[in-house]
Amino acid sequence: SQTIHQWPATLVQPVGSPLSLECTVEGTSNPNLYWYRQAAGRGLQLLFYSVGIGQISSEVPQNLSASRPQDRQFILSSKKLLLSDSGFYLCAWSELVAGTEAFFGQGTRLTVV
Amino acid sequence: SQQGEEDPQALSIQEGENATMNCSYKTSINNLQWYRQNSGRGLVHLILIRSNEREKHSGRLRVTLDTSKKSSSLLITASRAADTASYFCATDFAGGSYIPTFGRGTSLIVHP
Repeated sequence: SQTIHQWPATLVQPVGSPLSLECTVEGTSNPNLYWYRQAAGRGLQLLFYSVGIGQISSEVPQNLSASRPQDRQFILSSKKLLLSDSGFYLCAWSELVAGTEAFFGQGTRLTVV
Repeated sequence: SQQGEEDPQALSIQEGENATMNCSYKTSINNLQWYRQNSGRGLVHLILIRSNEREKHSGRLRVTLDTSKKSSSLLITASRAADTASYFCATDFAGGSYIPTFGRGTSLIVHP
């Protein structure tokens, strides 16, 4: 069966520090991968998606970047965090066809102080 | 990108009552999905309805889709306190790659 792992669960980082959130998927190959951000009481904002290794599409210009070094690994990074980067970050995957559900990780609560 | 918008933003009901939440979208879709999010957790898939379907059931969940009005509704019957969560609809583009895009969700509180 497929599983998705996302870590860490919580993170408190000072302004200006770097960020690296990691997400890995097991039990499937060549999945679509997604990073979302959810501000408090708000909906999910799609940040990045990837349809293959090294293929990253950015939905929103921002202080963040994403990479997919391996088929089932998706990394969200920042060189210098801003206060506005605080939020709940969710990684998800889906099959590479339309009409299938997305599976979500448990999320990372990032607080930039 | 396509985005569904849920309505109402918040809903508070008593246990045993039915809860109805709606989703509207702007362009043609392949399918529409509903997800649930418990506080501080990831989203869990509830049900998918395809563009050629009008109604779908899963346990206490009933989803309708009206493509002429570009809207969908999620009905939870005989609600329970454990149904307390946020509910999101996700849409994709007809003919495009499936990139699930979400609205702001409906926050449902079921009082015991």
